[in-house]
Amino acid sequence: GENVEQHPSTLSVQEGDSAVIKCTYSDSASNYFPWYKQELGKGPQLIIDIRSNVGEKKDQRIAVTLNKTAKHFSLHITETQPEDSAVYFCAASTQAWLVFGAGTILRVKS
Amino acid sequence: GAVVSQHPSWVICKSGTSVKIECRSLDFQATTMFWYRQFPKQSLMLMATSNEGSKATYEQGVEKDKFLINHASLTLSTLTVTSAHPEDSSFYICSARHRGQTQYFGPGTRLLVL
Repeated sequence: GENVEQHPSTLSVQEGDSAVIKCTYSDSASNYFPWYKQELGKGPQLIIDIRSNVGEKKDQRIAVTLNKTAKHFSLHITETQPEDSAVYFCAASTQAWLVFGAGTILRVKS
Repeated sequence: GAVVSQHPSWVICKSGTSVKIECRSLDFQATTMFWYRQFPKQSLMLMATSNEGSKATYEQGVEKDKFLINHASLTLSTLTVTSAHPEDSSFYICSARHRGQTQYFGPGTRLLVL
């Protein structure tokens, strides 16, 4: 079955700097890759997703890149703000369920 | 759009009682909903896939008689934790699938069994 690895487990950045979180997946049949942001005590919130027919997608300060050959995808957050502090999860999916990475705790220091 | 609600947001119960958690898709119909469990500082663990009008599919290691799932309509799925014990205390989160593979999550339900 699918296995998703996520790095780093924790990431501290200075406000205004960029943050990059990386994930690798094992199943070459996976074709959908969402990213979720989870704040303490809340459910995950979808922030951006990408499908396998696209190499990059951007939404304001957030971007996701996908390398199908290497089977890895990354989340890029530019101009980080304190409110970006949260746990971020990547996931991979074929047609059925999502397989999640272990999560990255992002701390943005002001 | 694509809002999912859960009720209750938190519940405290005595050991041996049953607890029902509701998951609703508020502005879309969802033929498939999912139930997850999350322990502190850990990732989401899929418990079961709930399909409208049919029996739920449970992940390996999840007791179907312990965690009863009903998906009676296109906007409502319920999870009942039967005869709850302290080890069932956790954060339970549902999601609903909308437009293909996209899943939208509810706010979660924190269960504490005393």
